[in-house]
Amino acid sequence: GDSVTQMEGPVTLSEEAFLTINCTYTATGYPSLFWYVQYPGEGLQLLLKATKADDKGSNKGFEATYRKETTSFHLEKGSVQVSDSAVYFCALSYNQGGKLIFGQGTELSVKP
Amino acid sequence: NAGVTQTPKFRILKIGQSMTLQCTQDMNHNYMYWYRQDPGMGLKLIYYSVGAGITDKGEVPNGYNVSRSTTEDFPLRLELAAPSQTSVYFCASSFSGRANSPLHFGNGTRLTVT
Repeated sequence: GDSVTQMEGPVTLSEEAFLTINCTYTATGYPSLFWYVQYPGEGLQLLLKATKADDKGSNKGFEATYRKETTSFHLEKGSVQVSDSAVYFCALSYNQGGKLIFGQGTELSVKP
Repeated sequence: NAGVTQTPKFRILKIGQSMTLQCTQDMNHNYMYWYRQDPGMGLKLIYYSVGAGITDKGEVPNGYNVSRSTTEDFPLRLELAAPSQTSVYFCASSFSGRANSPLHFGNGTRLTVT
């Protein structure tokens, strides 16, 4: 079946460091890919998405490119801030009721 | 705009007790979902609904029941609580079932069964 695998956390970075969180997927079809972010004590919220191969999603300085050849959707940000500390979830979905399949989440901690 | 509201925020149950987790949304979304989040794991879909009166099982439905009598409300029922149901529960809604329709999540209910 379909699945999503993320790099293990927690990831600890200093402010202004470069961030990469790896995400790979296994899919039987052609899903849309998402990154959701969960700040402490809150629910998840959509960070960015890409709906087809080679699409780049971007938001708040974060970017991810849908790579079909490597089945990857890595999250990157050039300069992280303390306020980016959160748990990041990679997910996939088909046009079938919006059901999402999530990775296990990667906790990011940014120190001043 | 309240979005998706879940109650209670926290609850401790004894084994065998029952409870209902409440979820309501004010965005007139047809699609609603219940997920559970276990430590170090991604979210798993318990049940979902594509509209009032229609519900279907997700990946991990055992031990739970749902109903959808109105567009706004999607309660999740635990009949005989077990320690394996200790988790954080998230309700979500979306405008449509298409993949480009983002999910809106509530803030979660942290449930402990002892």
